[in-house]
Amino acid sequence: AQSVTQPDIHITVSEGASLELRCNYSYGATPYLFWYVQSPGQGLQLLLKYFSGDTLVQGIKGFEAEFKRSQSSFNLRKPSVHWSDAAEYFCAVGARGSYIPTFGRGTSLIVHP
Amino acid sequence: DADVTQTPRNRITKTGKRIMLECSQTKGHDRMYWYRQDPGLGLRLIYYSFDVKDINKGEISDGYSVSRQAQAKFSLSLESAIPNQTALYFCATSDTTQTRETQYFGPGTRLLVL
Repeated sequence: AQSVTQPDIHITVSEGASLELRCNYSYGATPYLFWYVQSPGQGLQLLLKYFSGDTLVQGIKGFEAEFKRSQSSFNLRKPSVHWSDAAEYFCAVGARGSYIPTFGRGTSLIVHP
Repeated sequence: DADVTQTPRNRITKTGKRIMLECSQTKGHDRMYWYRQDPGLGLRLIYYSFDVKDINKGEISDGYSVSRQAQAKFSLSLESAIPNQTALYFCATSDTTQTRETQYFGPGTRLLVL
């Protein structure tokens, strides 16, 4: 069975600073990988996903993530954070053919002006 | 209009009451899911359905039941609500023929059990 760890419960950054949110997964083969964002009072919105091919994935809202097989990681990055990026971020890993991803516990992003 | 809708958006109930949370989707997806979210625990799967005649338990199904009334509708029931079922509940859909395990979420139902 697959599992996913988001080591940081909270991350605080200043507006305009760069951002990296960590995600580590455990799975025996190449997984499907996802990042979702949950803004306050909202449901989860898909930011980006990795299935195969280019390991650097571009998403919406200026986010990108890089799949690193050697490190079992799929970290989310953004070069310059905006106050509206303050939200909860979830990484998820899916096993090919299982159709049900496993979610991490989330990282809460706080943006200071 | 939203592709995945949930009703009600907020609900307060008392211990022992039976309640139903409803989910509807216009995405034409065949697969639907119910999750609950608790602070610090992320999302945990309650039930999922791969088509109208297929219902499966998730990791935390005790105290819950579901009904897939049609491809577009998937309801979650709490037969006798208890306070530790206070949580944020999400419905999600997916269509693996098109989007390969990508899930699309409703806005959530915030439930408080007194």
